[in-house]
Amino acid sequence: AQKITQTQPGMFVQEKEAVTLDCTYDTSDPSYGLFWYKQPSSGEMIFLIYQGSYDQQNATEGRYSLNFQKARKSANLVISASQLGDSAMYFCAMRASSGGSYIPTFGRGTSLIVHP
Amino acid sequence: DTEVTQTPKHLVMGMTNKKSLKCEQHMGHRAMYWYKQKAKKPPELMFVYSYEKLSINESVPSRFSPECPNSSLLNLHLHALQPEDSALYLCASSGGAKETQYFGPGTRLLVL
Repeated sequence: AQKITQTQPGMFVQEKEAVTLDCTYDTSDPSYGLFWYKQPSSGEMIFLIYQGSYDQQNATEGRYSLNFQKARKSANLVISASQLGDSAMYFCAMRASSGGSYIPTFGRGTSLIVHP
Repeated sequence: DTEVTQTPKHLVMGMTNKKSLKCEQHMGHRAMYWYKQKAKKPPELMFVYSYEKLSINESVPSRFSPECPNSSLLNLHLHALQPEDSALYLCASSGGAKETQYFGPGTRLLVL
């Protein structure tokens, strides 16, 4: 069974500062994918970044980077130069395989508030 | 284009009504999903369609009935819902090597 753990229910950060959102995972599958999603109050889940289990480099997408430490089973999201629009729920997810369908497992989420 | 569309955006229905939620994607994705999400909680998987066939049903009550008319469309038919079914309903599709899920904007459902 797959499991995603996000231990920070809420985080606060000053505008223009960097923030790290924690995510640890557990799986027995040697091949897996890790995702981060942003969900503003409007409700839409927005895909941010992906890291494959065999990727040698940490993933980066603009201001988002993923600090992937495979041995520690962690996949923390780093947001650099926070903006007010970054205030949202952030979900870490892992792709599992079930009968040919890929089923993501979601963490409980972290609520990020960016202060001016 | 990574767009998934959902209609309607908001829906209010009584417990005796029948309504449908619609979802559409044009990314050629082979898998489509329905999720239910309560406030401040992660999305809960309801159904998965793979190549237009229902592959996963997460023990969802029969008052929710999914339908996949073709590879681009996914419907969720609602009948005799309960107030506790009020939630945000998200549709998603996935495909490609990474099987990244892309979500629609959701339908906020209120059952009175």
